[in-house]
This record gives sequence, structure tokens and C-alpha cells, in this order.
Amino acid sequence: GESVGLHLPTLSVQEGDNSIINCAYSNSASDYFIWYKQESGKGPQFIIDIRSNMDKRQGQRVTVLLNKTVKHLSLQIAATQPGDSAVYFCAESDMRFGAGTRLTVKP
Amino acid sequence: DARVTQTPRHKVTEMGQEVTMRCQPILGHNTVFWYRQTMMQGLELLAYFRNRAPLDDSGMPKDRFSAEMPDATLATLKIQPSEPRDSAVYFCASGPPSPHEQYFGPGTRLTVT
Repeated sequence: GESVGLHLPTLSVQEGDNSIINCAYSNSASDYFIWYKQESGKGPQFIIDIRSNMDKRQGQRVTVLLNKTVKHLSLQIAATQPGDSAVYFCAESDMRFGAGTRLTVKP
Repeated sequence: DARVTQTPRHKVTEMGQEVTMRCQPILGHNTVFWYRQTMMQGLELLAYFRNRAPLDDSGMPKDRFSAEMPDATLATLKIQPSEPRDSAVYFCASGPPSPHEQYFGPGTRLTVT
């Protein structure tokens, strides 16, 4: 039978394209935000974080943008690779995690 | 390559039994977190320790769950008595004093029948 559970937003991209994963947060007092990647059968893995006094932070192939006006966070992955296929979570400084977005990269 | 370790990786038990999950944080990390992940609820924070002292366990059902850190190298999460609705993957994570990222273990998949 069909399983009932969280309906994760999904994003499907072609290998080599850029990916943008979005997250809305609730606590305007959060002083930092974190993005995690979770591959099947594994625990979440830290990707990048951003302090609330910043609006952009760049890492290796990833950029996080923070818009505090609308409480929105995004993760941009450049030149997406098949190994980027996973569920991506944003988390606030109070350790509350979003529902996640499933990214699928088509070769 | 320092990692958070969790034991057991899988546990199947009958309703009413006690379950103990163990976690060894990364040496030098002073924060430890316990999370539960289910299809229905996603990833939920159960408890949070800093320097072995519990700072927040508001996400944990107090009547049956307990979390402790007997020493800096061991964190435990106990469920007594277990119920089928406790079936989930339980993750432990540890973090350094600064900055604030968390390093997750591989999880314990618990099935209560």
C-alpha cells in the first residue's frame, strides 16, 4: 500500500546545471542557519552555515543566501553532480529542521 | 577521520521492552544531540547536552524516554517501555565548542513490534 508521510518537495536537475533549494524559516530571532545534506541510509552532513548578520556566504560549489525580510533561505549548488543527489535540510540555531527537499540529479 | 559512532545500528524489539541506544561523540566535542527521524515527522530534536549537562530535553517524551551522559565519551538514550510508535531512526550528533556545526552518527534504526 501507499505509505503516508511527509511529502518532500523535489527538485530534479540535469547534471552540470545549477540547483537552487529553498527554505522558509519561522524564528526571526535565530542567529544562524545551517544547511545539511542527507544521503540515503546515512546521517545528515553539514554543508554550510550563515550568521543572521550576513546575507550571503559562499563555499565550495555552494552559496547560501539569507533574506531576513521574508524569512527565506536558499542553497545554490553550482554545476550539480550525481553525487549531489540527496535530501537537503535547512536548520535554525534552535536545532529545528525543515522538512527537507529531495534533489535528484539526472546524468 | 574522527566520527560519531552509534550502537546498535539496528534494533528490533517487542513492545514493552527496554531499549538502550549508545553514542560516542567525537573527542573534544562538548555538545551532544539526540534526534529522531520518521517519515511522518521528519527530523525532531529530542535532547541536547553541553559539557555533559542536559540543556534542552523538551522534545522528549519524559514518561518513557531518558537521556544521559555518564561521561564525556558516552551518551545514552533509553526508552522504557518501548511502543510501536517509537519505531524510527535515532541519530546522535556532536559538535565542537565553536563553531556550531553538528556531526551526525550513522543512526540506530529501531523497530518496535
